Amino acid sequence: QVQLVESGGGVVQPGRSLELSCAASGFTFFSYGMHWVRQAPGKGLEWVAFIWYDGSTKYYADSVKGRFTISRDNSKNTLFLQMHTLRPEDTALYYCATDGVMAAHPPNWFDPWGQGTLVTVSS
Amino acid sequence: SYVLTQPPSVSVAPGQTARITCGGNNIGSKSVHWYQQKPGQAPVVVVYDDNDRPSGIPERFSGSNSGNTATLTISRIEAGDEADYSCQVWDRNSEHVVFGGGTKLTVL
Repeated sequence: QVQLVESGGGVVQPGRSLELSCAASGFTFFSYGMHWVRQAPGKGLEWVAFIWYDGSTKYYADSVKGRFTISRDNSKNTLFLQMHTLRPEDTALYYCATDGVMAAHPPNWFDPWGQGTLVTVSS
Repeated sequence: SYVLTQPPSVSVAPGQTARITCGGNNIGSKSVHWYQQKPGQAPVVVVYDDNDRPSGIPERFSGSNSGNTATLTISRIEAGDEADYSCQVWDRNSEHVVFGGGTKLTVL
């Protein structure tokens, strides 16, 4: 079955870096755009970044642009999010999610989602 | 940047119909997608492209989109429908995905 498993979360000090991973299985990962979405404790969903199926196009939310980098390794069915200069407001559960349409542009709906990995930025 | 506005909460009795709105400037020109999120779980898409349902989503879930308002309608409400619901669009001007703030649906 289709599965997305995030990892790499943890507690990190402000200003430091962290890299998240999302391992995909059960579908043709290389055919789909992928997203990162985050949810701060008790808050709503916030889109973070999108990468096209072949990695040629990337979009970022204004709140992370210049600090976060989305990438993928289609040979390993893995999505990444490099996060630099972390701030307390980056504290959230980070989900990876598959774009709902194969090789589509622009992005569509998200289906499925992983279960998330928690990032806490605190001194 | 593009903004989607949802009511923070909606309450409805079992068996009744819930309508959750998502307001945005000329949202009728965009494709709207809706997610259900239960406590401790990841979101699940319940309606995509304004009014299509993924396989496995009951026919009780439907959507509409016109003018400045999109609406998720859940008929014959059940206790298991209690959850947070969020709308989402792609804004081509900013090249951003945008989520609404979410609506907590309470079944009385």
